[in-house]
Amino acid sequence: IQMTQSPSSLSASVGDRVTITCRSSQIIGTFLNWFQQRPGKAPDLLIYDVSTLQSGVPSRFNGSGSGTEFTLTISSLQPEDFATYYCQQGYSTRVTFGPGTKVDIK
Amino acid sequence: QVQLVESGGGVVQPGMSLTLSCAASGFTFSSYALHWVRQAPGKGLEWVAVISYHGSDKYYADSLTGRFTVSRDNSKNMVYLHINSLRSGDTAVYYCARDYRIFGVSSPSAYWGQGILVTVSS
Repeated sequence: IQMTQSPSSLSASVGDRVTITCRSSQIIGTFLNWFQQRPGKAPDLLIYDVSTLQSGVPSRFNGSGSGTEFTLTISSLQPEDFATYYCQQGYSTRVTFGPGTKVDIK
Repeated sequence: QVQLVESGGGVVQPGMSLTLSCAASGFTFSSYALHWVRQAPGKGLEWVAVISYHGSDKYYADSLTGRFTVSRDNSKNMVYLHINSLRSGDTAVYYCARDYRIFGVSSPSAYWGQGILVTVSS
């Protein structure tokens, strides 16, 4: 299963609303997760099963979608949110990640 | 607390083999599948393999089948990734990560190791 993300990168300011789109090459049900990765660090699980926030993740992060199209929304971008975001499908036992979306400071 | 610690990386010559290890603690190791994920320098995340909680089921990325072997030792709380015929394209940070479903094979959870760098170079 192939995963795509758009945009590949974006520049935003603190306080901005940011939306990242992830598409799968086939229907994946609710088996869609989002990870955040800061430079030099391991990825952090933000959202699993499309919309469930991992414990400790701020409520400004929201996941939605169904079928083959999914979105990650950050309602008000904070300085610590500048990072790369990856979607990941778990519908297949052969997990695949999207190519990533880099969010940097405008 | 859950900890995963990778080891066994370093500089390896092309064509050689390498075994990475991941030591786990802080959870019932024999109840969870373990994943390997890699990241080439400046690139995105690439899922490599997963081994089920009992070790009988193993799955590999389609592009990597044949040179990679995942295994585990539940008596030692260890998971391994053996890589044959290393190529420059295998240069990456390799992470182990726990699955988020107990007694299942699903997706990497919030629990990842810090990663270990493998550099394939002559």
